Amino acid sequence: ELKVEQNPLFLSMQEGKNYTIYCNYSTTSDRLYWYRQDPGKSLESLFVLLSNGAVKQEGRLMASLDTKARLSTLHITAAVHDLSATYFCAVDRVDQGGSEKLVFGKGTKLTVNP
Amino acid sequence: DGGITQSPKYLFRKEGQNVTLSCEQNLNHDAMYWYRQDPGQGLRLIYYSQIVNDFQKGDIAEGYSVSREKKESFPLTVTSAQKNPTAFYLCASSLTWSTSEQYFGPGTRLTVT
Repeated sequence: ELKVEQNPLFLSMQEGKNYTIYCNYSTTSDRLYWYRQDPGKSLESLFVLLSNGAVKQEGRLMASLDTKARLSTLHITAAVHDLSATYFCAVDRVDQGGSEKLVFGKGTKLTVNP
Repeated sequence: DGGITQSPKYLFRKEGQNVTLSCEQNLNHDAMYWYRQDPGQGLRLIYYSQIVNDFQKGDIAEGYSVSREKKESFPLTVTSAQKNPTAFYLCASSLTWSTSEQYFGPGTRLTVT
């Protein structure tokens, strides 16, 4: 059974600081997704990582994937208040029928303080 | 605009009543999904449908039912058998059943008292 663990689950940081959120998963997968969720809202796709060594950047966020270590990181550079949200990673799994489904981590609630 | 719509945004029901949540997409996606989100938790898969007239149980299907009579519609019924129905429900779709990238609707917050 595929398990996805994120840490930390809660992160409070000051504006201007850097930090990294980690996403570990338990079985082989080549696809990993990062989503952002604002309070009471739906999930917004941030990054799609499709191969080992993939690195993607958008603004102050950079995501990477190491499939051998079963680890993805979401790095935040010079945080600003607008980045306050909950961030989820999701890992692709294929069931016995060949359908591809996502398994989500519990999310990291990020609060950026002035 | 292409996208996924869910209605209503907020829904209140008395215990013992069945309730149906709507999910419609105009993305021409084959696959559709229902997730449940509880506070401080990730998303858990309730049901999914690969194509019209077909659907499969996810990880927490007990107390829920679905139908997929049209490609664009995938309604979820929360039955009285669901012991803890109060949650945030998210519908998603993907281009095909073998495409894992999913697009999410705005969600329905269901409160049962």
